Amino acid sequence: GAVVSQHPSRVICKSGTSVKIECRSLDFQATTMFWYRQFPKQSLMLMATSNEGSKATYEQGVEKDKFLINHASLTLSTLTVTSAHPEDSSFYICSARAFGGGYETQYFGPGTRLLVL
Amino acid sequence: DAKTTQPPSMDCAEGRAANLPCNHSTISGNEYVYWYRQIHSQGPQYIIHGLKNNETNEMASLIITEDRKSSTLILPHATLRDTAVYYCIVRGTGTASKLTFGTGTRLQVTL
Repeated sequence: GAVVSQHPSRVICKSGTSVKIECRSLDFQATTMFWYRQFPKQSLMLMATSNEGSKATYEQGVEKDKFLINHASLTLSTLTVTSAHPEDSSFYICSARAFGGGYETQYFGPGTRLLVL
Repeated sequence: DAKTTQPPSMDCAEGRAANLPCNHSTISGNEYVYWYRQIHSQGPQYIIHGLKNNETNEMASLIITEDRKSSTLILPHATLRDTAVYYCIVRGTGTASKLTFGTGTRLQVTL
């Protein structure tokens, strides 16, 4: 299947700092990328959907000013957690889908584990 | 998108077939059934998807009932590496469609 990478795989930061996570589709052009968050022993929760060149659409309850998403190219999306706090510690997973009618398979990155001290 | 119901956990002996059921009684005509799995501390891995016909690939088979209200994912010869949480997800077509994860089935493959 298609490959989606994330960087970094793990990050530890101090409270109040900002953290940027990159998501890349390595062998296909992703017109749509998704960001999920997963807390321990819970399922994945969709945070936002981004289409290349346009503003991201956030799910209810997700603060757009705290979780900045940029989808500047067809192979790269970034999630910036601004002014991170311990409650933002989580497993962040991106996903990418190729252009088409919506029935295309969606592939996931390996995830980024964020720990805010 | 329609909601799915899966058993919370299942066990399977290594080498045996693992049959994971999923109910999606409110599925509509243009919605696909997708299966993903998540091995501990990794991102979800795509397994298979289908609309109404049975599907098979190198990983698994997907059996969808004729009324499309339920499906079964079959791992023909389970190995210890198949231990994971398996998610059955119904997703419509269209660029705005999303994969919404439920709680899935935790499959434990044992010796």
